[in-house]
Amino acid sequence: GAVVSQHPSRVICKSGTSVKIECRSLDFQATTMFWYRQFPKQSLMLMATSNEGSKATYEQGVEKDKFLINHASLTLSTLTVTSAHPEDSSFYICSARGDSKIADTQYFGPGTRLTVL
Amino acid sequence: QKEVEQDPGPLSVPEGAIVSLNCTYSNSAFQYFMWYRQYSRKGPELLMYTYSSGNKEDGRFTAQVDKSSKYISLFIRDSQPSDSATYLCAMSAGDYKLSFGAGTTVTVRA
Repeated sequence: GAVVSQHPSRVICKSGTSVKIECRSLDFQATTMFWYRQFPKQSLMLMATSNEGSKATYEQGVEKDKFLINHASLTLSTLTVTSAHPEDSSFYICSARGDSKIADTQYFGPGTRLTVL
Repeated sequence: QKEVEQDPGPLSVPEGAIVSLNCTYSNSAFQYFMWYRQYSRKGPELLMYTYSSGNKEDGRFTAQVDKSSKYISLFIRDSQPSDSATYLCAMSAGDYKLSFGAGTTVTVRA
């Protein structure tokens, strides 16, 4: 149980285009989802917390107009990188908090590697 | 100073050796402590979870938390080549927001 999927797994786009990444909880309802980015050989940096039916909460330094997050249902959250630039190239990972009896655990998706040319 | 400090390694050990990993932290509000394993280009996988201080054992894995020293450890006994991965410590104050260490890259040589 507690499977989280992400789509696409890899995307290459041209500078200036927008890219949408989907995060789905497959076998549980996720009241809260999180979006992280990870640069090579570095740890995960939390970008935003997404609660179903409400606006996302962004971490300091993360541009909310550039990284649009939508959490329209209990099983789906999307991250749209708008007007992507090469410096946005990174590994984006989502996680979901469900109804696990283990408090404060998150289940992670497999990640999406974004390359902006 | 980072909230969670973890030596990135890399750490290379022969098969069968004990792998010892650790993290230190500064936030005394942290009460939930986790270890995640991340294979290359994959998402992190929850390995061990501990609440407050103490030890927890699961098969070849042992997690230890010493809140008085703000120090947590993960031990892997009888290490296997399949244990080669990056190990991330993570912790939370109970608000579901995780603070991660930098991750330690481990290679177990056959």
